[in-house]
Amino acid sequence: QVTLRESGPALVKPTQTLTLTCTFSGFSLSTSGMCVSWIRQPPGKALEWLALIDWDDDKYYSTSLRTRLIISTDTSKNQVVLTMTNMDPVDTATYYCARSRAAAQPFDYWGQGTLVTVSS
Amino acid sequence: DIQMTQSPSSVSASVGDRVTITCRASQGISSWLAWYQQKPGKAPKFLIYAASSLQSGVPSRFSGSGSGTDFTLTISSLQPEDFATYYCQQANSFPLTFGGGTKVEIK
Repeated sequence: QVTLRESGPALVKPTQTLTLTCTFSGFSLSTSGMCVSWIRQPPGKALEWLALIDWDDDKYYSTSLRTRLIISTDTSKNQVVLTMTNMDPVDTATYYCARSRAAAQPFDYWGQGTLVTVSS
Repeated sequence: DIQMTQSPSSVSASVGDRVTITCRASQGISSWLAWYQQKPGKAPKFLIYAASSLQSGVPSRFSGSGSGTDFTLTISSLQPEDFATYYCQQANSFPLTFGGGTKVEIK
């Protein structure tokens, strides 16, 4: 069955770089159309899409965050990595990774999320 | 960017009530719209895709409609397990965007 799991630090300091890893199973990111996205949710607030990488290694980013984000994949390890630079307390959120069967398809499987707190 | 506006932001309803949530896109997105349900402390659950197609396993009391810029999610008879926050999301173009959410609360 399809599973995704996020991992990374629970606490980062302001100005530091955050690196999150999404480890997935039950599907291959090499399959035509397949995509993995990162989505975040500040406490008590709405969902915000951050970035997507597809089967062809095309990458798409949030307009407001694109200068701070890098998404990459290690297909041999079934992992997608998100790097976010210059972290700020407003970046405190639960970060999710999610799968979609194509860029225009919904997120049909989600990880459980990982809470990242930005504080000195 | 395409802005997604949901209304209302919250609604109080009783078990058995019919509840309708609206999602409006700032520009036309054809039928490239999905709906999600999120309960506290949990990841969102995908309910509806292509504006009106029910995901397998989702109860038939949930339905979606609309195209272009205006969409609705309807729960025909609210059940206790339906109290949650609902989000719309457009998949027409990048960047992908979500609505601000609608919290369905117990009256």
